[in-house]
Amino acid sequence: GAGVSQSPSNKVTEKGKDVELRCDPISGHTALYWYRQRLGQGLEFLIYFQGNSAPDKSGLPSDRFSAERTGESVSTLTIQRTQQEDSAVYLCASSLNGVQETQYFGPGTRLLVL
Amino acid sequence: QQQVKQSPQSLIVQKGGISIINCAYENTAFDYFPWYQQFPGKGPALLIAIRPDVSEKKEGRFTISFNKSAKQFSLHIMDSQPGDSATYFCAASMGGSSNTGKLIFGQGTTLQVKP
Repeated sequence: GAGVSQSPSNKVTEKGKDVELRCDPISGHTALYWYRQRLGQGLEFLIYFQGNSAPDKSGLPSDRFSAERTGESVSTLTIQRTQQEDSAVYLCASSLNGVQETQYFGPGTRLLVL
Repeated sequence: QQQVKQSPQSLIVQKGGISIINCAYENTAFDYFPWYQQFPGKGPALLIAIRPDVSEKKEGRFTISFNKSAKQFSLHIMDSQPGDSATYFCAASMGGSSNTGKLIFGQGTTLQVKP
């Protein structure tokens, strides 16, 4: 079946612009995670959605970052007033029910802020 | 306390050899330890995972060894193949209804298996 998909695959933007990244999880997966991977680094947790529960936003690095999820489907991660340090690969993962279920990752969106 | 430290940063192994990657953690509340494999341009994919009630788990050529008292765990790749060349990440998470299952990742190890 289809895996996690993300769009765009690559995004180049100018400092100060807003960007929106999209994630389509595996159908039927109630849990959705966003992670950030800086060049040569491990993944950093950003935000977690589980069904209709309040999201866990504890990993968002600043108030310029926000995310939404429509029910148990698509999620968007928005970065406002982008900075050069926001350049990274943004990865989305979904899992069937959440805690300690296997997380299936999408291919990521490579963001470059000039 | 939330960190997972991974070593080495890079590793070169001859085909047929054993690749060993080590991870250490501080937070004793972690109770799930997966390893992920990532190829260039792709997202990470789960390779194998272990919980602290066992000291070893083996799946094919891949084995996780877990030392709860030392708060360390390692990935062993037996009979390493060129197709195993990738970046490997260890991770840890906490269970329980009050947690989200977010993964805390190590920094990654780039493995190159030479033919």
